[in-house]
Amino acid sequence: EIVMTQSPLSLPVTPGEPASISCRSSQNLLHSNGNKYLDWYVQKPGQSPQLVIYLGSKRASGVPDRFTASGSGTDFTLKISRVEAEDVGVYYCMQALETPFTFGPGTKVDIK
Amino acid sequence: QVQLVQSGAEMKKPGTSVKLSCKASGYTLSFNTLHWVRQAPGQSLEWLGWIGAGPGDTKYSPKFQDRITITASTSANSAYMELSSLRSEDTAVYYCARHLSAALDIWGQGTVVTVSS
Repeated sequence: EIVMTQSPLSLPVTPGEPASISCRSSQNLLHSNGNKYLDWYVQKPGQSPQLVIYLGSKRASGVPDRFTASGSGTDFTLKISRVEAEDVGVYYCMQALETPFTFGPGTKVDIK
Repeated sequence: QVQLVQSGAEMKKPGTSVKLSCKASGYTLSFNTLHWVRQAPGQSLEWLGWIGAGPGDTKYSPKFQDRITITASTSANSAYMELSSLRSEDTAVYYCARHLSAALDIWGQGTVVTVSS
């Protein structure tokens, strides 16, 4: 199965400052159709996970444009241009290229 | 409003089975694959399997292949996940989620399953 890793695992941030999370996959997530099958989810305290980014760089409905994502076939990055208090939570990357889908260990983003 | 509503918390003894439900509203369940994901206390997320539209259209994680069954009812617009031979390590929150555009875009509220003697 494809192994997902993330760094850092903990990310204290100052409101208004940028934040960046890295995700790496053990296999290339670039499909022959040109899509990168990498998603980002956030799990806010006490809530179910919610989709932030799909297909490597597409923002999900309702996600603010301060969230951007990019990546190659194996290295991906989620960026928050200016962190707000509502962004705290655990961010997970997930590969959706092949089953079993696999998640990274999560990056906990909290306010300094 | 598109949502997935899951059944209530369960307490089970080791060696028994649990069957969870996930009811879709605002859309027709069979139009998309429906996935099950779990989260043990303090841990990351773990994918269990999915069910599609056709009979027997299921895919399971190899880790659970021999003890998981996912079914669906078109009349109830619901999906079900049964996990057998429960052990303490199966204690987790179980989520169902809709698959759309290569992502899990709608998640249920989760069902807490506790396995303890």
